[in-house]
Amino acid sequence: TQLLEQSPQFLSIQEGENLTVYCNSSSVFSSLQWYRQEPGEGPVLLVTVVTGGEVKKLKRLTFQFGDARKDSSLHITAAQPGDTGLYLCAGVSYNQGGKLIFGQGTELSVKP
Amino acid sequence: DAGITQSPRHKVTETGTPVTLRCHQTENHRYMYWYRQDPGHGLRLIHYSYGVKDTDKGEVSDGYSVSRSKTEDFLLTLESATSSQTSVYFCAITREVTDTQYFGPGTRLTVL
Repeated sequence: TQLLEQSPQFLSIQEGENLTVYCNSSSVFSSLQWYRQEPGEGPVLLVTVVTGGEVKKLKRLTFQFGDARKDSSLHITAAQPGDTGLYLCAGVSYNQGGKLIFGQGTELSVKP
Repeated sequence: DAGITQSPRHKVTETGTPVTLRCHQTENHRYMYWYRQDPGHGLRLIHYSYGVKDTDKGEVSDGYSVSRSKTEDFLLTLESATSSQTSVYFCAITREVTDTQYFGPGTRLTVL
């Protein structure tokens, strides 16, 4: 069974601070996706990283895929209260018909 | 927004009763999925479908069945609900052009 370990599970920081969320596995994925979820809604895709070592930026969010395609990170610079939410990583598996394997999620709270 | 609706949005039921959740999509996507979301577990795949009458099990399929008699509808049935099935259930589709999953708004199910 493929697993994705996401850490930390909870993060409470002040506005303006930086943070990093990690997603690790012993398995190789064909790609890795990051989602953001607000209360009462479904997850919404932020980015997909496909190539080992790839870095993608979305405004203050930086996503990186590990060279071996087993891990990924999400870095937020100068966090704002609007960044508050649940962040989920999901790996796309080579040998399971493209189904997503989700990490446990990181609950981020950014206080003004 | 991928035209996904779920019904009901909230349901409270008693242990031992049957429950059916409905997912409806308007864009004729081939792949549809049912997930459950619980604290500390992220999203876990229950069942998925790759076409009309074509379904397969996910990682947490025990106690659940599905049916897909039309492209637009994917039904999830709990034959005899148990308290361990209290959860938030999400339906998703894959938009194949971009290989991206889009999620519905979720159904909050409470089994007393």
